[in-house]
Amino acid sequence: GNSVTQMEGPVTLSEEAFLTINCTYTATGYPSLFWYVQYPGEGLQLLLKATKADDKGSNKGFEATYRKETTSFHLEKGSVQVSDSAVYFCALSDQTGNQFYFGTGTSLTVIP
Amino acid sequence: EAEVAQSPRYKITEKSQAVAFWCDPISGHATLYWYRQILGQGPELLVQFQDESVVDDSQLPKDRFSAERLKGVDSTLKIQPAELGDSAMYLCASSFGESAYEQYFGPGTRLTVT
Repeated sequence: GNSVTQMEGPVTLSEEAFLTINCTYTATGYPSLFWYVQYPGEGLQLLLKATKADDKGSNKGFEATYRKETTSFHLEKGSVQVSDSAVYFCALSDQTGNQFYFGTGTSLTVIP
Repeated sequence: EAEVAQSPRYKITEKSQAVAFWCDPISGHATLYWYRQILGQGPELLVQFQDESVVDDSQLPKDRFSAERLKGVDSTLKIQPAELGDSAMYLCASSFGESAYEQYFGPGTRLTVT
């Protein structure tokens, strides 16, 4: 079946450090891949997405590349800020677009 | 900017009581989703509506949970009777079409069952 596996947290980084949050997936066919972010006390917000292999999603300095050969969609940012502190969820949508699967989330804390 | 509205934001109830949550999706969004998010985990889909019809409720515990979207706009999720294990965040999301792309989430309702 379809599933998403994220690196476990929590992750604590100093401001301006490089961020990588690993995400791998299992899916049949050609899923779409997403990163969502959840700030404290809020709902999930779409951060970026990629709909086919080798696509790169990007937003707010974050990037992730859809790698079919390694079934991965790792989230990266070159220089994190305190305001990036949140929980990040990797997710996939199956080929029909009607089923969504979320990872367990990775908590990021950025310290000044 | 249009948002998904949910109420209440927080709810404390005793086990065996009934509880209800309300969601108002973004205007014009035909698809509405209810998710349950247990602390430390990702959201799990409970039910999906396309307009007023249920598209997927395979993960909804139907012995105690019910959901409706009578006019294809706002929706109510009910639990009766509540159990301790129902303590979680209940998230509502909506999207324009049938595809799960571009889901917009509300702030959620935090339920605590005592």
